[in-house]
Amino acid sequence: GAVVSQHPSRVICKSGTSVKIECRSLDFQATTMFWYRQFPKQSLMLMATSNEGSKATYEQGVEKDKFLINHASLTLSTLTVTSAHPEDSSFYICSARPGTSGGKFEQYFGPGTRLTVT
Amino acid sequence: AQKVTQAQTEISVVEKEDVTLDCVYETRDTTYYLFWYKQPPSGELVFLIRRNSFDEQNEISGRYSWNFQKSTSSFNFTITASQVVDSAVYFCALSGIPGTALIFGKGTTLSVSS
Repeated sequence: GAVVSQHPSRVICKSGTSVKIECRSLDFQATTMFWYRQFPKQSLMLMATSNEGSKATYEQGVEKDKFLINHASLTLSTLTVTSAHPEDSSFYICSARPGTSGGKFEQYFGPGTRLTVT
Repeated sequence: AQKVTQAQTEISVVEKEDVTLDCVYETRDTTYYLFWYKQPPSGELVFLIRRNSFDEQNEISGRYSWNFQKSTSSFNFTITASQVVDSAVYFCALSGIPGTALIFGKGTTLSVSS
């Protein structure tokens, strides 16, 4: 159990266009989802935390108007990179956390989405 | 502030050698959690272990073992008799309150040659 999927796994888009990445919890309800970004040969850096039904909380230095996060249901969060530029090319990974009832506070990571902006 | 330091950027070993990956952390929380993840070339993170701050028992799982020492704020990972399939980037991570985001170290790239 506890599977998180991401779609698409790879995407290439042209500079100036927008791209949407989906993160789904397949067999549990995720009250919280996290979005991380990983540049080549670097670590994972938290971009934002999203809670179902409320606005996402962005980390310092992450433009909320550029990286739109929507967590409209307990199984789906989306990250939209608006007006993408080559410097947005990165590996985007989401993680999902089940509700805290019963002490369940594990996080489960998705397989990641590799975004290339040309 | 919380921080995870993996001082070893790259390690190269020959198959069957033992290798230890170092992880030092900083936190002011009394309750915290430490993790190790493996990231193969595919990019998907593979969960290896989670430890909470109250459990300093060392753990062994097959060829993997972990040494947690609060006195030195370290959570080191040893692979015994390394294999080529162990080649990957290994991340140590820290979280505070259960279920909060993870803070990752910069990772250690392990290359095991035959």
